[in-house]
Amino acid sequence: GQNIDQPTEMTATEGAIVQINCTYQTSGFNGLFWYQQHAGEAPTFLSYNVLDGLEEKGRFSSFLSRSKGYSYLLLKELQMKDSASYLCAVLDSNYQLIWGAGTKLIIKP
Amino acid sequence: GAVVSQHPSWVICKSGTSVKIECRSLDFQATTMFWYRQFPKQSLMLMATSNEGSKATYEQGVEKDKFLINHASLTLSTLTVTSAHPEDSSFYICSARDGTGDTEAFFGQGTRLTVV
Repeated sequence: GQNIDQPTEMTATEGAIVQINCTYQTSGFNGLFWYQQHAGEAPTFLSYNVLDGLEEKGRFSSFLSRSKGYSYLLLKELQMKDSASYLCAVLDSNYQLIWGAGTKLIIKP
Repeated sequence: GAVVSQHPSWVICKSGTSVKIECRSLDFQATTMFWYRQFPKQSLMLMATSNEGSKATYEQGVEKDKFLINHASLTLSTLTVTSAHPEDSSFYICSARDGTGDTEAFFGQGTRLTVV
């Protein structure tokens, strides 16, 4: 079966750095996405990785290791508005998006 | 990025009635649209995938006669919840992609359905 694992909840302090991990086992791989979802709203796109390595975009970076079936989302200089759920999703061999359950990130002052 | 417009944002309906939710891609042709349902504090659950001009493919456990999906054009897909019941109350989100391949999915704003 297809499976994506990420922590259920994480807590971090404003101004700090947090890393949200995602591991996956899917039938094929055509890319990995990270989305941010605030409560009651639709997800918004953060990043896309298809090759190994680190993609940096402002305060957010995403890393991928295809051989390990592993990715992480790194958030720097945390702000209170970063409190949200972060969803990891993998595009499988049929180009279907397989979703993780999401990681609820709580930012404390 | 591309824009997907979903309407209505929220709707309250009586048990037994039907509700139609529209999803439009405003500046691109969405060859594939996806409909998701999300219960509070739970992950997105794919309900069905629709390709323009063909019948939708429903995920296991989703009743196709209850959740009618129409994807008649490259910019519009509709989800109709027929004979809605309180357990159908949920957050429904559509998503669209431009062609097949490694393109990101653009999401509508979501529709919060409450059945009373």
